[in-house]
Amino acid sequence: NAGVTQTPKFQVLKTGQSMTLQCAQDMNHEYMSWYRQDPGMGLRLIHYSVGAGITDQGEVPNGYNVSRSTTEDFPLRLLSAAPSQTSVYFCASSNSRTVGAYEQYFGPGTRLTVT
Amino acid sequence: SQQGEEDPQALSIQEGENATMNCSYKTSINNLQWYRQNSGRGLVHLILIRSNEREKHSGRLRVTLDTSKKSSSLLITASRAADTASYFCAIYGGSQGNLIFGKGTKLSVKP
Repeated sequence: NAGVTQTPKFQVLKTGQSMTLQCAQDMNHEYMSWYRQDPGMGLRLIHYSVGAGITDQGEVPNGYNVSRSTTEDFPLRLLSAAPSQTSVYFCASSNSRTVGAYEQYFGPGTRLTVT
Repeated sequence: SQQGEEDPQALSIQEGENATMNCSYKTSINNLQWYRQNSGRGLVHLILIRSNEREKHSGRLRVTLDTSKKSSSLLITASRAADTASYFCAIYGGSQGNLIFGKGTKLSVKP
């Protein structure tokens, strides 16, 4: 199993540009989530999904969109990039619809810089 | 804040010594999890301890949970240089429906 994969690994955007961060998992996990990690802030939840067709907002959802059309994929869209979105983004999945009840598996991260 | 707060923020020890990190939280929990993050990598799950458990072991790792004090500790025995990483606690429970991560303890193990 590849586990959780993320692409790209690095990305530089100009303010106002849009892009999609890709996330895929091959473990048939129901739960998937997106976090951002900033220095001194720990991980903050952006959006999550408890199954195909179901998404919900986390702690810091503004400026981001998600969709979940399949169990495997959970892309994160930046609508109009801002310098405040410079961060490292992690996708995670878990084998439970009861979020937080079990361990989460993390992808390697996407380092995004917005200039 | 409902997140766990790790203490200390940074810890530097010699190889072979034990490393202890603490996590305090403010709400009731269903479980508390510890994760490791090597530099430039994603987080890796270490141990999950449920609210009705007091202690769990995994190899050189020992986690304790004291729900009356709302605190947990992670002990790494006989540390190795490869244990150099950031360690995060994450809590599940209370009013939030997701896993809430703390800011982490940065551990440096010197050969």
